[in-house]
Amino acid sequence: DAGVTQSPTHLIKTRGQQVTLRCSPKSGHDTVSWYQQALGQGPQFIFQYYEEEERQRGNFPDRFSGHQFPNYSSELNVNALLLGDSALYLCASSPGGAAGELFFGEGSRLTVL
Amino acid sequence: DQQVKQNSPSLSVQEGRISILNCDYTNSMFDYFLWYKKYPAEGPTFLISISSIKDKNEDGRFTVFLNKSAKHLSLHIVPSQPGDSAVYFCAARDFEGSQGNLIFGKGTKLSVKP
Repeated sequence: DAGVTQSPTHLIKTRGQQVTLRCSPKSGHDTVSWYQQALGQGPQFIFQYYEEEERQRGNFPDRFSGHQFPNYSSELNVNALLLGDSALYLCASSPGGAAGELFFGEGSRLTVL
Repeated sequence: DQQVKQNSPSLSVQEGRISILNCDYTNSMFDYFLWYKKYPAEGPTFLISISSIKDKNEDGRFTVFLNKSAKHLSLHIVPSQPGDSAVYFCAARDFEGSQGNLIFGKGTKLSVKP
């Protein structure tokens, strides 16, 4: 049973560029949440997707956008990258549209130079 | 403003002894609390949870205690093992206000020494 998979694992971008991160949820899960974990901080909620729609959003600017596909996989897009966007981006999945116990992927480490 | 606080960035414990990790919260609407463990280069892994209607939940060596009046919860690990060395995150769910996303503390790094 495959868990949550994310790609790429590491990437380096420069300021102003755009990035797309990908996530496949755990088998049987239909809800995907994205979190940003800056160095020395806990994960911070970006948004959650359920039934291909953004269900809820945290305190992140519109530069952060996402998408969920019919197979429940998801993408996180960040435009106009800033140095402060450097972080570990975690995807988490859960069944049934609520958070509760989340299953996390290993994350995508983004470095913005 | 941090709604979930883990005031101890690190904790060192001898193998076989008890580890106690603490967490405070400010939002009385939180209805569900979770602890996650994170090893380097891995995503957080769910450890144990507790509903706000309970004051204790136990799973093997791990016990979580909830004191609603003090807005405080703690994770006890007995006995501690070197493999427990990791960063532990406390998280809370504000179901009414947030439709289920989790709010995390900054984490406590536990080191269990042989």
